[in-house]
Amino acid sequence: GENVEQHPSTLSVQEGDSAVIKCTYSDSASNYFPWYKQELGKGPQLIIDIRSNVGEKKDQRIAVTLNKTAKHFSLHITETQPEDSAVYFCAASKFQGAQKLVFGQGTRLTINP
Amino acid sequence: GAGVSQSPSNKVTEKGKDVELRCDPISGHTALYWYRQSLGQGLEFLIYFQGNSAPDKSGLPSDRFSAERTGGSVSTLTIQRTQQEDSAVYLCASSPNPKGTQYFGPGTRLLVL
Repeated sequence: GENVEQHPSTLSVQEGDSAVIKCTYSDSASNYFPWYKQELGKGPQLIIDIRSNVGEKKDQRIAVTLNKTAKHFSLHITETQPEDSAVYFCAASKFQGAQKLVFGQGTRLTINP
Repeated sequence: GAGVSQSPSNKVTEKGKDVELRCDPISGHTALYWYRQSLGQGLEFLIYFQGNSAPDKSGLPSDRFSAERTGGSVSTLTIQRTQQEDSAVYLCASSPNPKGTQYFGPGTRLLVL
């Protein structure tokens, strides 16, 4: 089955700098790659997603890139702000009657003021 | 509008007891997922419901776990004869359709003593 590896497990950056989180996946048939942000005591919230027919997607300060050949995808956050501090999860899936997401282990991002 | 809600938010039980966890999906969402998040880990798929179709139970870790969805809306996850390793956050997500974005609830934090 699918396996998703996420790095780093923790990341600390200065406010205003950029943060990059990387994930690799094992199943070449996976075609949907969402990123979720989870704040303490809350459920994960989708922040951006990408499908395998595109290589990059951007939404304001957040962007995701996908390299299907290498089977890895990355989250880029620019001009980081204290409210970006949270745990971020990547996930991958292929549609088989359902979108059963396989998640990475998470990255705890801390933005230092 | 209202998001996914889950109850209780916290549950402490003794080993061997049964527990029921409830999920109220977003109104009109036909797809419903249960995931488990163990301490410091990513999310693990448990079960999927779509409309009135038979559920996909492929992620349930043992026959002590079961779930039902009544009237295509509210879902209940039941864990019988709880074990300490069942301690985790149980998250529910709903989606407008099987391929759609999954919206997560806040989760139920289960502690088995």
